[in-house]
Amino acid sequence: EPEVTQTPSHQVTQMGQEVILRCVPISNHLYFYWYRQILGQKVEFLVSFYNNEISEKSEIFDDQFSVERPDGSNFTLKIRSTKLEDSAMYFCASVIYPGELFFGEGSRLTVL
Amino acid sequence: QKEVEQDPGPLSVPEGAIVSLNCTYSNSAFQYFMWYRQYSRKGPELLMYTYSSGNKEDGRFTAQVDKSSKYISLFIRDSQPSDSATYLCATKETSGSRLTFGEGTQLTVNP
Repeated sequence: EPEVTQTPSHQVTQMGQEVILRCVPISNHLYFYWYRQILGQKVEFLVSFYNNEISEKSEIFDDQFSVERPDGSNFTLKIRSTKLEDSAMYFCASVIYPGELFFGEGSRLTVL
Repeated sequence: QKEVEQDPGPLSVPEGAIVSLNCTYSNSAFQYFMWYRQYSRKGPELLMYTYSSGNKEDGRFTAQVDKSSKYISLFIRDSQPSDSATYLCATKETSGSRLTFGEGTQLTVNP
């Protein structure tokens, strides 16, 4: 069964460092998303991406965040200068048409 | 007021019980309603997806949406220990692409 894959599964970084989280969406999907879940809190929308541009972003997705689809398969989330409060699980998701999102297993980011 | 509210539990039931999980929402623009299951330290897994009001059944799972009261439910019949997980409700407007999630209800089914 096709699935969304994410790397790394866990990354530990120092505050102020740049982090890139990678995702390979399901191959025929057209819409891509990043969500995050701080430990013990709800899953929160960060950004959606369609046709090689951001289609929607939340108030969380500030100038420290960026997304890119550098080739036909990868979808990345970059955090330029990590803060302690960026520690969370980051989930990539994809869908053919908006609604039925399929999530990856997540990348756990720990900022020290 | 939170856009989607869900009792976080925890909820503990014996094996074979009928489980009822619920969410309320405040935004009348929400038209799509989903239930996800999330095992510990894993990504959410889509269980049920419904549009507007009504019922949808899939095996042991039944999703109900009552838009007049802004209330969504998930029923699990003949619950199994493997159903132990956190259940997340999620909603979406017709326009836009973001999902708004509830806090999740932690369910334990005891053998």
